[in-house]
Amino acid sequence: QKEVEQDPGPLSVPEGAIVSLNCTYSNSAFQYFMWYRQYSRKGPELLMYTYSSGNKEDGRFTAQVDKSSKYISLFIRDSQPSDSATYLCAMTSGGSNYKLTFGKGTLLTVNP
Amino acid sequence: DTAVSQTPKYLVTQMGNDKSIKCEQNLGHDTMYWYKQDSKKFLKIMFSYNNKELIINETVPNRFSPKSPDKAHLNLHINSLELGDSAVYFCASRGDSPSEQFFGPGTRLTVL
Repeated sequence: QKEVEQDPGPLSVPEGAIVSLNCTYSNSAFQYFMWYRQYSRKGPELLMYTYSSGNKEDGRFTAQVDKSSKYISLFIRDSQPSDSATYLCAMTSGGSNYKLTFGKGTLLTVNP
Repeated sequence: DTAVSQTPKYLVTQMGNDKSIKCEQNLGHDTMYWYKQDSKKFLKIMFSYNNKELIINETVPNRFSPKSPDKAHLNLHINSLELGDSAVYFCASRGDSPSEQFFGPGTRLTVL
């Protein structure tokens, strides 16, 4: 079993839709959870960051972490064509190295 | 003002050649990384340096050798390039928190 599983999609939604992206993981030591957005031919950029369990909201984006189920989600409300990108979940147990383990990424297309 | 920069952006070369990729960050971070992203967008860590000291060395062929002349620079030298080395290589730097990890724009390496 891979440490981090993420459905690669692709996912295609109409503009204004609510998007749900998910990752599961197997390493119970993971404590820091991140979502990165990567536009085509660009580097990943940090979108959301959560420590341990709980929810975090930033504008149209909500990140949820359920450590008991080893499951994290990213919700995008009122999706826009500019949200079209690959979304990568990433996580780390912390420590001095903060080595990130990434999911494979989900390709999202928001159609106008 | 670019935070993490990489050169070159594109690199096309023949099998068997030796090539280098350079990375520089102006964020004052102590930790820098090299990641490899394959054609399926899977992002995997290769190396990490903290203040010029190697702290993460994943299972990477010996043909790959990172070098950090100072904490703002991390270079990657690849010997005897193979077809399977074709990928996008991302440099990243990190501050004190896992949420402060910033990626460069990537170097797209094509081995013919």
